[in-house]
Amino acid sequence: GQQLNQSPQSMFIQEGEDVSMNCTSSSIFNTWLWYKQDPGEGPVLLIALYKAGELTSNGRLTAQFGITRKDSFLNISASIPSDVGIYFCAGMNYGGSQGNLIFGKGTKLSVKP
Amino acid sequence: DVKVTQSSRYLVKRTGEKVFLECVQDMDHENMFWYRQDPGLGLRLIYFSYDVKMKEKGDIPEGYSVSREKKERFSLILESASTNQTSMYLCASSPRQGHGYTFGSGTRLTVV
Repeated sequence: GQQLNQSPQSMFIQEGEDVSMNCTSSSIFNTWLWYKQDPGEGPVLLIALYKAGELTSNGRLTAQFGITRKDSFLNISASIPSDVGIYFCAGMNYGGSQGNLIFGKGTKLSVKP
Repeated sequence: DVKVTQSSRYLVKRTGEKVFLECVQDMDHENMFWYRQDPGLGLRLIYFSYDVKMKEKGDIPEGYSVSREKKERFSLILESASTNQTSMYLCASSPRQGHGYTFGSGTRLTVV
């Protein structure tokens, strides 16, 4: 099935650092979503983006819907230990089976030893 | 608080057993989904359903079947469990298309 290219695959953070990750697609989407999965839990929705160019914040998290509608990024400012987990991007179009979410493979955030 | 509830957090089954994974949502959502999650492979869609008694194959349906007899319940069935079906299984639901999904906490299945 269709996949999104999410990068980086993994990264290590030190408390207080800013973090960036992004997602690209060969297809356009009407909606971009960002999820976070804590260890041993299911993904939880962080931010939803519905309009090209849209920039949305949720606390220390900021996400943008790319103008081309083929990409999105997520920034985390001043990271804290509880930010560790796997972050998934997801794109969606409306109508028929295209209404299903397409997920990236995730970016795993870990704490620097 | 709206919820998607998966009946078991951890399961250990033997090769060849028939396995049922249950998922219930209390949000009156139309759509329900089953994914499996494996390291490095992300979330892979097994089956989904847009309505009661309706089901459609996802990307990796082989070895699985599903049942949706009631709107709130979507069951995943492993007809004859195999070791390569050891994985984390995630159920999700959504209102009609155009909305994000709400996920359950997952069932970690080990087939020995």
